[in-house]
Amino acid sequence: DAKTTQPNSMESNEEEPVHLPCNHSTISGTDYIHWYRQLPSQGPEYVIHGLTSNVNNRMASLAIAEDRKSSTLILHRATLRDAAVYYCILRGGNKLVFGAGTILRVKS
Amino acid sequence: GAVVSQHPSRVICKSGTSVKIECRSLDFQATTMFWYRQFPKKSLMLMATSNEGSKATYEQGVEKDKFLINHASLTLSTLTVTSAHPEDSSFYICSARAGLGAGELFFGEGSRLTVL
Repeated sequence: DAKTTQPNSMESNEEEPVHLPCNHSTISGTDYIHWYRQLPSQGPEYVIHGLTSNVNNRMASLAIAEDRKSSTLILHRATLRDAAVYYCILRGGNKLVFGAGTILRVKS
Repeated sequence: GAVVSQHPSRVICKSGTSVKIECRSLDFQATTMFWYRQFPKKSLMLMATSNEGSKATYEQGVEKDKFLINHASLTLSTLTVTSAHPEDSSFYICSARAGLGAGELFFGEGSRLTVL
């Protein structure tokens, strides 16, 4: 499975936008870029996924670089409930293999 | 969205006993389910892929005789930790997908196993 690299942690102020980066320089043409988040003592929650074009949903936006070697998850207005570990994962086959993720802290 | 439920959410057992954890897809059929384990402050580690009606596929380093997986129906997969020991204490999480393709996976709430 192709590897992703994310910062260990990031901090944001409440009500401000958050940009969570992910590098995936070895991505293959058929790999989808998935984002999940995990709150303490809970299972992961799907956030968004995309292949080539930018994607928007009610939770977030996903901006994918033209060469697909990096992507950015955008939370438009962070709330305290967005504090979680965010995982960027490449999915080409059946399974999801998690990396270390980014711990997002949101300050009030 | 689709719902995946795990039971029990917490279990404490004595060393040497076996523990079964159930994973159910409540409103969709799942031909494939995945089992993960997670240690404190660590990421999820994929243990095995559970396929309905056939044997599970285990990741390298995961003992198949230790972690028995059964996927007897399209809505139920079970993970049995046999002869559990304290080092098996962990957070076990299942996930499932509805249909084929590269869409989202749905995760259960997790089951915390403590072996005394």
